[in-house]
Amino acid sequence: QVTLKESGPGILQPSQTLSLTCSFSGFSLSTSGICVSWIRQPSGKGLEWLATICWEDSKGYNPSLKNRLTISKDTSNNQAFLKITSVDTADTAIYYCAQTHIPYVMDAWGQGASVTVSS
Amino acid sequence: DVVLTQTPSTLSATIGQSVSISCRSSQSLLDSAGNTYLYWYLQRPGQSPQLLIYLVSNLGSGVPNRFSGSGSGTDFTLKISGVEAEDLGVYYCMQATHAWTFGGGTKLELK
Repeated sequence: QVTLKESGPGILQPSQTLSLTCSFSGFSLSTSGICVSWIRQPSGKGLEWLATICWEDSKGYNPSLKNRLTISKDTSNNQAFLKITSVDTADTAIYYCAQTHIPYVMDAWGQGASVTVSS
Repeated sequence: DVVLTQTPSTLSATIGQSVSISCRSSQSLLDSAGNTYLYWYLQRPGQSPQLLIYLVSNLGSGVPNRFSGSGSGTDFTLKISGVEAEDLGVYYCMQATHAWTFGGGTKLELK
């Protein structure tokens, strides 16, 4: 059974760096064809893809946020990470991680972690 | 960025009714290798999104066969043949041919 769980700071201040962790079980990020993606959703709004990291360490970023995003992984501990620098109130959202199979199928999602940026 | 436009934004249906949702892309989603990376997701109220359809017309694991996807190039459709109560929520199309983007969503509600 595949499970994913996101964790983060909950609340942070503008200009700080947001660090998110996706802890997962039921699959390995060292398996060929497996990736983890990050997606966010502001309250009452739609979905926005942020980044994806794959088994061979290839990475993809949303071009509109690329300069602020860093995705990484710890294969041994079954975790993936996302950092967003210089946050502001527009980064307030629920952040999801999702297991992603080539061809880019996000077929298992975590419950989401709520992040609020406020001074 | 590739913009995906979903219509309608809200859809009212009765149980058993068949409905369709359109997703139009600002660019062709057919890549040079002949693949079309178009997906459909459902987000039920208070839940995380779940996969319905991948690569235009392939049903996700465990997804009922009342759901079907079709289309090519820039025009795609999700059809539900006989809405059930558990189908209510917001439907999103998503493309991964270019930098990944989601459509704005279509809310399916009971009439």
